[in-house]
Amino acid sequence: DQQVKQNSPSLSVQEGRISILNCDYTNSMFDYFLWYKKYPAEGPTFLISISSIKDKNEDGRFTVFLNKSAKHLSLHIVPSQPGDSAVYFCAASGAGTYKYIFGTGTRLKVLA
Amino acid sequence: KAGVTQTPRYLIKTRGQQVTLSCSPISGHRSVSWYQQTPGQGLQFLFEYFSETQRNKGNFPGRFSGRQFSNSRSEMNVSTLELGDSALYLCASSLVAYSTGELFFGEGSRLTVL
Repeated sequence: DQQVKQNSPSLSVQEGRISILNCDYTNSMFDYFLWYKKYPAEGPTFLISISSIKDKNEDGRFTVFLNKSAKHLSLHIVPSQPGDSAVYFCAASGAGTYKYIFGTGTRLKVLA
Repeated sequence: KAGVTQTPRYLIKTRGQQVTLSCSPISGHRSVSWYQQTPGQGLQFLFEYFSETQRNKGNFPGRFSGRQFSNSRSEMNVSTLELGDSALYLCASSLVAYSTGELFFGEGSRLTVL
């Protein structure tokens, strides 16, 4: 039972263009969402988060959008850079669960 | 400020053996979580500890166990290893008591079971 789904295993984007990574969830109790980036042989690093009381959060080139009615969130990277090439995981948590549920990841490749 | 430290980084075991992995969280962090990463499965939640108490456990068999010490360091143990246990095991620590804060991950322990 995959409560957090990233249906695109991979994505290729030209340098300078927008990268859009998508994530769907099924549990309506989730109220906090995060995105992580992972390079090979390294642990995941935090990118950006959003609480369910918001529908958008921005941090530099990274913006996360949350659509609660659709149970969908997306990460926009503008402009994309070759250094953004990595695996991106979305994660969700609900109040009192003390755990994050991660998606299966999307491998982003930014082409120079 | 030192990050999350996991040891060992790489290890090879054979089926039936057991393994213990160690995690030292960031100083001051009292919550430690463990995840298993395998190709195509993403990060699967194993368990989470806060102040030496396991607060949540994922859907893994009883062969997977863990504990947390009074200094917040944590260990996880896998007994009777199976080939399918080959994975990257990630530890993450968090400052806050509830799951609305950032998780800081270590670099992981890569376990290969032959």
